[in-house]
Amino acid sequence: GIQVEQSPPDLILQEGANSTLRCNFSDSVNNLQWFHQNPWGQLINLFYIPSGTKQNGRLSATTVATERYSLLYISSSQTTDSGVYFCAGMYSSASKIIFGSGTRLSIRP
Amino acid sequence: DAGVTQSPTHLIKTRGQQVTLRCSPISGHKSVSWYQQVLGQGPQFIFQYYEKEERGRGNFPDRFSARQFPNYSSELNVNALLLGDSALYLCASSGGNEQFFGPGTRLTVL
Repeated sequence: GIQVEQSPPDLILQEGANSTLRCNFSDSVNNLQWFHQNPWGQLINLFYIPSGTKQNGRLSATTVATERYSLLYISSSQTTDSGVYFCAGMYSSASKIIFGSGTRLSIRP
Repeated sequence: DAGVTQSPTHLIKTRGQQVTLRCSPISGHKSVSWYQQVLGQGPQFIFQYYEKEERGRGNFPDRFSARQFPNYSSELNVNALLLGDSALYLCASSGGNEQFFGPGTRLTVL
């Protein structure tokens, strides 16, 4: 079946470090989104990025749809960046939206 | 502008009971999707509705049902609750392809 895999599952960094989170998907997606889930469970939109590259402050994302992967970059990490990051793809072939299992990021001061 | 709203915030039920969760999408959005997120996992897709019609369904038993109303709000119903139904239930609305999530309803089944 369709799969969305995220790596690494856990990442611990010092404040100020840079990080790269990866999302691989097994089938062609119509769209791809990155989210940050805060400790209260709220999913916060980071990027809607079916292809190409986008930047928003210290965060940027790149999706290479032909190679079925997306990357989320976080530069100069801050403690407030801690939390779980999810990618999700919409698959029209299956009429469903599938989330990865997430990357838990911990930024230490 | 108001975001996606969900009610109730928290809910405690016992096994075998039925529950109804509610979601109001962002104004102008016609699509609503429901997800279940158990602790430590990513959200699992349950349903997508667009213009009051079901457009997608995940791998959930028939105890789960949903509907969308003419004002595009939606209800998720779960019958014959099991302990394993304890989870955070998330609603997302969409006006195109990008989804925006509500704060969720945390359901505990005892």
